[in-house]
Amino acid sequence: NAGVTQTPKFQVLKTGQSMTLQCAQDMNHNSMYWYRQDPGMGLRLIYYSASEGTTDKGEVPNGYNVSRLNKREFSLRLESAAPSQTSVYFCASSLDSSRDTQYFGPGTRLTVL
Amino acid sequence: GDSVTQMEGPVTLSEEAFLTINCTYTATGYPSLFWYVQYPGEGLQLLLKATKADDKGSNKGFEATYRKETTSFHLEKGSVQVSDSAVYFCALGEWANFGNEKLTFGTGTRLTIIP
Repeated sequence: NAGVTQTPKFQVLKTGQSMTLQCAQDMNHNSMYWYRQDPGMGLRLIYYSASEGTTDKGEVPNGYNVSRLNKREFSLRLESAAPSQTSVYFCASSLDSSRDTQYFGPGTRLTVL
Repeated sequence: GDSVTQMEGPVTLSEEAFLTINCTYTATGYPSLFWYVQYPGEGLQLLLKATKADDKGSNKGFEATYRKETTSFHLEKGSVQVSDSAVYFCALGEWANFGNEKLTFGTGTRLTIIP
């Protein structure tokens, strides 16, 4: 049972490049989330998906897009990376909502030069 | 909006010392409260949670009580171990759009236990 997996683990981009962060869960969860973690700021929600086929903005959605490809997979896309997007990105899932335990992936460390 | 304020770190303690990490919150409704822990190089994992006032969450010797009157959810452990060294996050779960909740996190407290 892998839980929540994320790829890649590390990535370096140049300003203006694009990339997609992949996330998958094998727990049959309905809700999935993307967070970014920055020093001194805790985790901030970028986007979430309450169920397959729905997505909604979180606290810091600007510069990002998401796709809930199916129940298992939730991807995060940076269309034109900026240095301000240098961060550690975590994907998480929960059974139905944040009242349920959220299970986190190991994270992707992204550096934008 | 809702917010979580937790004790600034880093916190350094000797093994077997008593631990308290303070957490207070502001919320308009009746949120769920959580403590998550992050070990080096890993993602976050749930340590404990409480869903209503006066509930006590507990796990691995850690405890926290949901205090509505003081809007607090302080984390305590009677005797810490080296293996407890990690970053601890207090979080608040609120109802958002479409009936789904989202978590608001505190900034995290780094705990180091010295043998």
